[in-house]
This record gives sequence, structure tokens and C-alpha cells, in this order.
Amino acid sequence: GAGVSQSPSNKVTEKGKDVELRCDPISGHTALYWYRQRLGQGLEFLIYFQGNSAPDKSGLPSDRFSAERTGESVSTLTIQRTQQEDSAVYLCASSEGQGVIYEQYFGPGTRLTVT
Amino acid sequence: GQQVMQIPQYQHVQEGEDFTTYCNSSTTLSNIQWYKQRPGGHPVFLIQLVKSGEVKKQKRLTFQFGEAKKNSSLHITATQTTDVGTYFCAGWNTNAGKSTFGDGTTLTVKP
Repeated sequence: GAGVSQSPSNKVTEKGKDVELRCDPISGHTALYWYRQRLGQGLEFLIYFQGNSAPDKSGLPSDRFSAERTGESVSTLTIQRTQQEDSAVYLCASSEGQGVIYEQYFGPGTRLTVT
Repeated sequence: GQQVMQIPQYQHVQEGEDFTTYCNSSTTLSNIQWYKQRPGGHPVFLIQLVKSGEVKKQKRLTFQFGEAKKNSSLHITATQTTDVGTYFCAGWNTNAGKSTFGDGTTLTVKP
């Protein structure tokens, strides 16, 4: 079956512009996660959704970052007024539920470059 | 908050040598998951450990979950070039209601 998909795969933007990153989770997966991974670094948790609600927004780096999810499906991560330090790969993952037994399925990521 | 630490950060081995990465949590975990990320790829789930003292094997990979459920290890016997990548552990903390990933151990294998 189809896995997690993300678009665009690559995005180059100028400093100060807004960007929108999209994630399509595996159908039926109620939990959805966003991570940021800088070059050669680990996974930085940003936010997760259970259904359409986001119980934990603690990882969002600043108020320039926001995310939403509609229809318990697609999610968008928006970064306003991008800065060079926002350059990273943004990974989305989904799982069947939010709980101890569920593995996360990752998408291929969106590589964001802010010039 | 919960912290999950992995050591070493990098490991360079000669093909055929063994490799071990360690994962340590500041709090007791409900489970531990291991993921592998190949260079240029995305993390892929390897295995999950739930029980105290649990040991699981996948071919040359051996995964352990500590008795206190605060640490875990991944051991690869006789590494091959196909083992290169970054290995992440992720621990579920019931109180926090989420998983926390370690920073990963990047393995390079010299043929």
C-alpha cells in the first residue's frame, strides 16, 4: 500500500518568505508527527496530531511555525518569514494510533533551503 | 522533561567488526523502538521492545531492553557495508504521552 508522502521534496526559498509543507499520512493512521532534521543531526520533535487536534505543540521552535491537520488526513506545516536557520529536512511520520505499541512510518521528507 | 541519550555519536568500523550503540533514558520507558536511517533516506522502523530485560534478534542484530527499562542497546555482529547509516532509539514515556528520539549513532563501515 501507499506510504507516507510529502511535498514538495525540495524547496528553495528566499529569507523572509513563507513556505507550506504538506504531509499525506497512511490512510487510517490517526496519529501524525512532524520532525526537523538538520544536516547530520538527530530528529527534533516539532508537533504531533491525534486526529485533527494537536495535544503537544511544545516542539515548535517559534511562533513563525504553525501546523494544522484536516479530516484526520493531510497535514500542513507552515513557516512564516523563513530564516536561514530554518534550513533542514522536515520529516512527517504517521502511526495507527498514539500509544506505546505503535511504530511510526516516515515519509521521504522535504528538504528546505533558505537562501 | 524526558531525555534520551545515545552513545557513541559516531562509530567507524572495519567490515567484519562488531558494533554496539547504547540508548539511555532519564526516566522509565514503557517501550523502546529502534529505527535505521540510511544516508539520504528517512528513518525506518526496525523493532520494538516492551518487556523488562527483553532480548530480540534479527539476523546479525541483537536488541536488548534493560531490566529497569531505562536503557537499551543494539549490537551488530560482523558488520557489513549494508549496515551503514544512523541508528535511532525512541522511548515512549507514559507520563509525557509521547516518544522521544535519541540523537542517533552514525555507523560507517570500511570495506
